[in-house]
Amino acid sequence: GAVVSQHPSRVICKSGTSVKIECRSLDFQATTMFWYRQFPKQSLMLMATSNEGSKATYEQGVEKDKFLINHASLTLSTLTVTSAHPEDSSFYICSAPTGAYNEQFFGPGTRLTVL
Amino acid sequence: GNSVTQMEGPVTLSEEAFLTINCTYTATGYPSLFWYVQYPGEGLQLLLKATKADDKGSNKGFEATYRKETTSFHLEKGSVQVSDSAVYFCALRGDRPTGKLIFGQGTTLQVKP
Repeated sequence: GAVVSQHPSRVICKSGTSVKIECRSLDFQATTMFWYRQFPKQSLMLMATSNEGSKATYEQGVEKDKFLINHASLTLSTLTVTSAHPEDSSFYICSAPTGAYNEQFFGPGTRLTVL
Repeated sequence: GNSVTQMEGPVTLSEEAFLTINCTYTATGYPSLFWYVQYPGEGLQLLLKATKADDKGSNKGFEATYRKETTSFHLEKGSVQVSDSAVYFCALRGDRPTGKLIFGQGTTLQVKP
């Protein structure tokens, strides 16, 4: 199947700093990518849809100025958590659809810990 | 709006036991339905899917049938193995080709030898 990578896999940062997470589709092009957040022992919550060539679409309740999304190319989307606080600590997962049925392939996730 | 409800876990079974994880959904139109699995420390992997009513998805011994009359997509496996221990997520995608998935809350399965 298609491969989606994320970098870094883990990041620890101080409160107030910004952190960038990359999501790459390795063997296909993706005009759309999705960013999810997963709290411990809970489900995935869709944060936003990243669109190549246009602005991201944010889900209700997600601060767009806090979580900056840039779909830089057909294979790369980035999520920047700005002025991170401990409550932003979470597991962030991206996905990208491809194929005739728009099957979504998920990245391995990024564990963010804000001290 | 669209939503997915899964049975609460954790589910603990002995090896070779029969598994059922219930999943029901609410959606307009004709959604596609999915089961994803998340092994410890890993990302989500698609386990199986069904795109229309009465379709049966199957993979690795797991099965689920898209039942529109009961709005259900229950996951079953006849004989579980220790290696099946993971978190299982039911999900739906609406009938628009946006690709946006709505997930259930996830069910943790633990299989003991």
